Amino acid sequence: QKEVEQDPGPLSVPEGAIVSLNCTYSNSAFQYFMWYRQYSRKGPELLMYTYSSGNKEDGRFTAQVDKSSKYISLFIRDSQPSDSATYLCAMGAPLGGATNKLIFGTGTLLAVQP
Amino acid sequence: KAGVTQTPRYLIKTRGQQVTLSCSPISGHRSVSWYQQTPGQGLQFLFEYFSETQRNKGNFPGRFSGRQFSNSRSEMNVSTLELGDSALYLCASSEGRDIGTDTQYFGPGTRLTVL
Repeated sequence: QKEVEQDPGPLSVPEGAIVSLNCTYSNSAFQYFMWYRQYSRKGPELLMYTYSSGNKEDGRFTAQVDKSSKYISLFIRDSQPSDSATYLCAMGAPLGGATNKLIFGTGTLLAVQP
Repeated sequence: KAGVTQTPRYLIKTRGQQVTLSCSPISGHRSVSWYQQTPGQGLQFLFEYFSETQRNKGNFPGRFSGRQFSNSRSEMNVSTLELGDSALYLCASSEGRDIGTDTQYFGPGTRLTVL
């Protein structure tokens, strides 16, 4: 079983729809949770960062973390064609020092149809 | 500030050869991490370098190695290439502080094809 599971999609929605992207994980040591967006032929870019449980909102994007269920979500409101990309969840745990090892989900391919 | 740059962007090699990929981090960043991205496995952590020292390592065979120079530029090397090494290799740089406050910025990647 992978440490992080993510539905690969593809997910196709009409413009303006609310999109829900999810990841589950098994390692209870994870404390840092991120969502990255990756356009075709580009490197991932950080969208949202959340520490421990809770919600975080940034414009049309909301990230939720439920550590008790080991479940994280990213919601996109009023989705736009420019949101079409692969969305990757990533998680990290303190490793007794300052290290940057992130565990990624396999990514969900999102297509927003105009 | 200029972003993370990776060279070359595309590379074609044959089985058994070796390859060296290069990453120039954002100016002032001291940490460089390398990831392998494939359709089946997604992004997998290879290793991280901080101030010329390998600080963490993923579960890859010893054919995968790296180093970091005093100017924080990093190289990764793959020896005795196998078909399964075909992937997008991504480099990410960060200031190198605690993971809780550190943001990793990714480069565009090097697409390696092994024939």
